Amino acid sequence: GAGVSQSPSNKVTEKGKDVELRCDPISGHTALYWYRQSLGQGLEFLIYFQGNSAPDKSGLPSDRFSAERTGGSVSTLTIQRTQQEDSAVYLCASSYTGDHNSPLHFGNGTRLTVT
Amino acid sequence: GQNIDQPTEMTATEGAIVQINCTYQTSGFNGLFWYQQHAGEAPTFLSYNVLDGLEEKGRFSSFLSRSKGYSYLLLKELQMKDSASYLCAVNGGDYKLSFGAGTTVTVRA
Repeated sequence: GAGVSQSPSNKVTEKGKDVELRCDPISGHTALYWYRQSLGQGLEFLIYFQGNSAPDKSGLPSDRFSAERTGGSVSTLTIQRTQQEDSAVYLCASSYTGDHNSPLHFGNGTRLTVT
Repeated sequence: GQNIDQPTEMTATEGAIVQINCTYQTSGFNGLFWYQQHAGEAPTFLSYNVLDGLEEKGRFSSFLSRSKGYSYLLLKELQMKDSASYLCAVNGGDYKLSFGAGTTVTVRA
């Protein structure tokens, strides 16, 4: 079946502009995660959605970052007033239940470059 | 906080065996995952360990010692396609995974 789909695959933007990154999880997966991957760094947790529960936003690095998940499916990560340090690969993942033993299925990511 | 350590790079010859170590210090523990990530691609799930011991899946095996905060991923009969980054990730007691920086494995002919 279809995997996790992310768009765009690449985004170049000027400092100060807003960007929106989209994630389509695997159908039927209730849990959705956003991670950020910078060169030489481990994946950094950003935000977690589970069903209709309030999201865990504890990993968002600043109030310029926000995310929503509509209808328990598609998610959008928005970065306002982008800064050069926001340049990274943004990975979305979904899992069937969000239980501790439920593996994450990742998308190919959006490579964001802020100039 | 969570601390996950793994070597940055390893090189091995085609057909050989490579062992990638991962040590962790986390506030809780609900399992350890290994993922494979080829350049420019999504990480893909390889293995999950929650109990001590060895889990074998074909050419790949993963070991866990909870008392030592230690795991390894063993890649046998290396193939060129195994050249990739290998990520160790720990569930520290909730739904979030903490990831190491990854080990880049280069397989040479």
